[in-house]
This record gives sequence, structure tokens and C-alpha cells, in this order.
Amino acid sequence: DQQVKQNSPSLSVQEGRISILNCDYTNSMFDYFLWYKKYPAEGPTFLISISSIKDKNEDGRFTVFLNKSAKHLSLHIVPSQPGDSAVYFCAASLGGGADGLTFGKGTHLIIQP
Amino acid sequence: GAVVSQHPSRVICKSGTSVKIECRSLDFQATTMFWYRQFPKQSLMLMATSNEGSKATYEQGVEKDKFLINHASLTLSTLTVTSAHPEDSSFYICSASPGSTNEKLFFGSGTQLSVL
Repeated sequence: DQQVKQNSPSLSVQEGRISILNCDYTNSMFDYFLWYKKYPAEGPTFLISISSIKDKNEDGRFTVFLNKSAKHLSLHIVPSQPGDSAVYFCAASLGGGADGLTFGKGTHLIIQP
Repeated sequence: GAVVSQHPSRVICKSGTSVKIECRSLDFQATTMFWYRQFPKQSLMLMATSNEGSKATYEQGVEKDKFLINHASLTLSTLTVTSAHPEDSSFYICSASPGSTNEKLFFGSGTQLSVL
């Protein structure tokens, strides 16, 4: 049973526009959410996170929104740049400690020039 | 930044052989390391939590006798796939944290295992 779902395997966005990656979760016990970015042949790297006590967290071009009632979060990248082309994984944990994470399947973001 | 090194990056082996994958934290000590597995078009799935100096904690459905984990030092954890079979072919990746939060979780580059 997939507890963290990323329903879009891929997303194509024009450079300079906004990229919106979506993630849904089913386990209401999750209280910490993270986004990771992965380039080919590399491990995932941490991008941005949000605690369940917040509904928005912003870091430069990246903003994560959390809608607890809908069990939905989204990652906004604006403006999108060619270097943003990568696979983005949504992950969730029970608490913000260094615990094992539950990942979504990932969304391959392609930024077109 | 912190680096986690994982070797080998790719291995092809015959069915029935054992394969060892190493995960090293290069510039920090990690009392806990995590092993994940990813099948094609699937998500990264946590297999086990490796604890330095003690037994690993396995997730439900993961055979501990098949996937042997040894975390002998604060910088090294190994995953041994024993008597590998074609269904064990997958992408294995480790992660470790120098701190106590998931934001500091660093991943290795992964190992693609192909069992013939």
C-alpha cells in the first residue's frame, strides 16, 4: 500500500515558468515532509522540508505547501531553470528525527528551454 | 558538505552468489544508517535501519537472513545479499545522518544489482 503518492511520473515545464510537483499521503500520523532531488547516477539530496504545524515553507525559488486536511503537499519552483531537471521525491516521516523515510515514486521534472 | 560513499555502483552476479555493498560516511560519524531498495518505477522502500554496535532493525517483509547488515563502525555499514536470485535485482541505496534530523540525511549514489 503506497502511503506516499506522486501520481505524475513526469512533468515538462518551460524555462522561467512555475513548476508544481504534487504529493499525496494516506497516513495521518506523518508529521514531517521532505522533498529530495535526484540527478542520474547520484543519490537523492535534500531540498526542502515542512513540519505539519506549518502550511508553507519557502527557501529561495522553492516553496512547499502543506494541506493537512487534504493530506496533500506540493513543491513550487519559480522560476524554473534548466538545472532543475531531475527526479523529485516526496518523503514523509513520523517526526523530524533521523528516521527511515517513506518515499513516493518520484516525478521526473523536465525543464524545456 | 557531508558525503556518503557507496560501493560498488553496479554489480552483476550469478544466481546463488553473495554480494556485499558498502556504505561509508566520509566526513562524519553515523550511529544510524538506512538501507533502501528501489524496483523500477517504484518508490524507494526502506529495508532496514542499521545501528552501530547492535543488530539492524528490519522492515516488515524483509528477510534478515537474506539481507545481512553489519554496522561495525561509526563510518561503515555493509549490506550483504546472500544467495542472490534474479528477483533480488534492484537498486540499493544507503543513507546516513550526522545529526538527529532528516534534513541532514545524506544518501549514497546507490548500487544497481543485476542477478543473472
